[in-house]
Amino acid sequence: GESVGLHLPTLSVQEGDNSIINCAYSNSASDYFIWYKQESGKGPQFIIDIRSNMDKRQGQRVTVLLNKTVKHLSLQIAATQPGDSAVYFCAENMSGAGSYQLTFGKGTKLSVIP
Amino acid sequence: KAGVTQTPRYLIKTRGQQVTLSCSPISGHRSVSWYQQTPGQGLQFLFEYFSETQRNKGNFPGRFSGRQFSNSRSEMNVSTLELGDSALYLCASSLGSGGTNTEAFFGQGTRLTVV
Repeated sequence: GESVGLHLPTLSVQEGDNSIINCAYSNSASDYFIWYKQESGKGPQFIIDIRSNMDKRQGQRVTVLLNKTVKHLSLQIAATQPGDSAVYFCAENMSGAGSYQLTFGKGTKLSVIP
Repeated sequence: KAGVTQTPRYLIKTRGQQVTLSCSPISGHRSVSWYQQTPGQGLQFLFEYFSETQRNKGNFPGRFSGRQFSNSRSEMNVSTLELGDSALYLCASSLGSGGTNTEAFFGQGTRLTVV
């Protein structure tokens, strides 16, 4: 049959505003989570990670929030810039500590309006 | 420090052929994972190797295989190629030891087109 592309949610924000990208994960036993940014034609770029024993972690202009009760992750980007335009993926690690079997969300396309 | 290097960047193969892709992880990283990315299915896990052993495996047919060498470089092989194998193949490297997860960094990928 014909392959249908994933319908990516799109978030459009004005340059300088804050962005919030949300993600629901599937496995309540997942203990490690990563946010990636992917630009067209490139591999996913690591942004920030968080372990399940934390509910918040901050990086440079980015903050990740983890709500294990509802299995929800969010990525906040402060003062969004045109260079932030990309597809953002959350990933949960499905295997035990120290090994890797990342399951990715479908992604959110962030468009920054100059 | 060099990043994750994947070769080749682009590849065109005919149905029924086989293909081998290569991944050199970041120096000191011992875990290498492979992923397939397609518009229809998104990013899907293939397998992970650590210290030359397959440690995790995703839900792909046996035509997809891999290996890891003593220097942590990894290869994946796809035999009897099908049109649906056309995808971006990505590898990710991480330290992979110590019982705790740390950052996993991706390469630029190999774009495989099967005709």
